[in-house]
Amino acid sequence: SQELEQSPQSLIVQEGKNLTINCTSSKTLYGLYWYKQKYGEGLIFLMMLQKGGEEKSHEKITAKLDEKKQQSSLHITASQPSHAGIYLCGAVLNAGNNRKLIWGLGTSLAVNP
Amino acid sequence: KAGVTQTPRYLIKTRGQQVTLSCSPISGHRSVSWYQQTPGQGLQFLFEYFSETQRNKGNFPGRFSGRQFSNSRSEMNVSTLELGDSALYLCASSSLAGGPDTQYFGPGTRLTVL
Repeated sequence: SQELEQSPQSLIVQEGKNLTINCTSSKTLYGLYWYKQKYGEGLIFLMMLQKGGEEKSHEKITAKLDEKKQQSSLHITASQPSHAGIYLCGAVLNAGNNRKLIWGLGTSLAVNP
Repeated sequence: KAGVTQTPRYLIKTRGQQVTLSCSPISGHRSVSWYQQTPGQGLQFLFEYFSETQRNKGNFPGRFSGRQFSNSRSEMNVSTLELGDSALYLCASSSLAGGPDTQYFGPGTRLTVL
């Protein structure tokens, strides 16, 4: 099984609806990245969370880190077609400077106008 | 600032050949990481270079190698290509090596092995 599980695998929502994507680790998290990827292209950095309870927002996207649950959630409010793409989470598993990064398989989001 | 650039964007090779991919990091960034992305396995870490030294390595066979030059540009080489090497190869740059620093990704090189 994956060390970093993302759910759901795919999501189709109507424009204007809210949605949440989860990223759960089987190991202790020392930080978590969220990226967005258009099919076949590079990853676009959204935000990084480092402390338990931390919450960050960028436009209509909010991400939280729950260290105790070893989980992060990404919430999109009032989704738009421009939000469509693949959302990837990357987890930092080691503290200090010897970073080990692992990645989820991604959540594919489609937004119907 | 210009972003991370990768060349070529697309490549078609046949089994047994070798290939070299190039990555130019964001100006001032000294760390370059390489990843292989496939639909089934997701994003898999290949290796990280910092100041021309390999700092971290993933679980890939020795056919996969890399290097970094004094200007921080990096190349990745795959020898004796196999069908399973078909993937999107991404490189990412950051200013630190191994630390909790944001990685910025290039557009990737799509490698197809026939």
